[in-house]
Amino acid sequence: QVQLQESGPGLVKPSQTLSLTCTVSGGSISSATYYWSWIRQPAGKGLEWIGHIYTSGSTNYNPSLKSRVTISVDTSKNQFSLKLSSVTAADTAVYYCARAGAAFPYCSSTTCWGEGKNKWFDPWGQGTLVTVSS
Amino acid sequence: QSALTQPPSASGSPGQSVTISCTGTSSDVGSYNYVSWYQQYPGKAPKLMIYDVSKRPSGVPDRFSGSKSGNTASLTVSGLQAEDEAHYYCSSYAGSNNVVFGGGTKLTVL
Repeated sequence: QVQLQESGPGLVKPSQTLSLTCTVSGGSISSATYYWSWIRQPAGKGLEWIGHIYTSGSTNYNPSLKSRVTISVDTSKNQFSLKLSSVTAADTAVYYCARAGAAFPYCSSTTCWGEGKNKWFDPWGQGTLVTVSS
Repeated sequence: QSALTQPPSASGSPGQSVTISCTGTSSDVGSYNYVSWYQQYPGKAPKLMIYDVSKRPSGVPDRFSGSKSGNTASLTVSGLQAEDEAHYYCSSYAGSNNVVFGGGTKLTVL
């Protein structure tokens, strides 16, 4: 079955850029009807959707983070990545990557297009704690 | 976009039923049948329990059920078991390629 694994530095200095990678195994990141997502959770708090990317490279971001977030995909490595710039202590959290099932208005045998409506997140990576501190 | 509203806590005795609410707006829960629910144990990743309002993934016990009325979705856990004690989060598509989560509910089995 599909599995996801986050990797990257656990400590980032304030004002620097947080960089994480999610490696997908057991399935292809080029599958047509999925988004590949990043979600974070500060200690003791709820979940926050950061954004997602489609295999084509098309991205969507949480409006509250949009100015600082970049998500990219490397289909040759079956990986996607997160960059969050100008971090502060408020960005300290467990960061999860997850596959998102989506409903697209138009699909061929190999790809979909149009506004994909995010339906669910499954599976999730185990999560990685990123602490922002000097 | 604002987070969906969930009660911070819920509880019930073994064998009882508990319902957790998730209130959004006409722009998210009220407009789309793309509400999902997640179970999270401490220190673990969330697990999908319900999707598309009321569908259960393979392997999720049928004690878990979901529903929606207007801008409020609900998760019902019937025949409570000790292993159901966890945090539960709802999520909804919110239009314009946005996704919103609820603040989470801590379910305690008394």
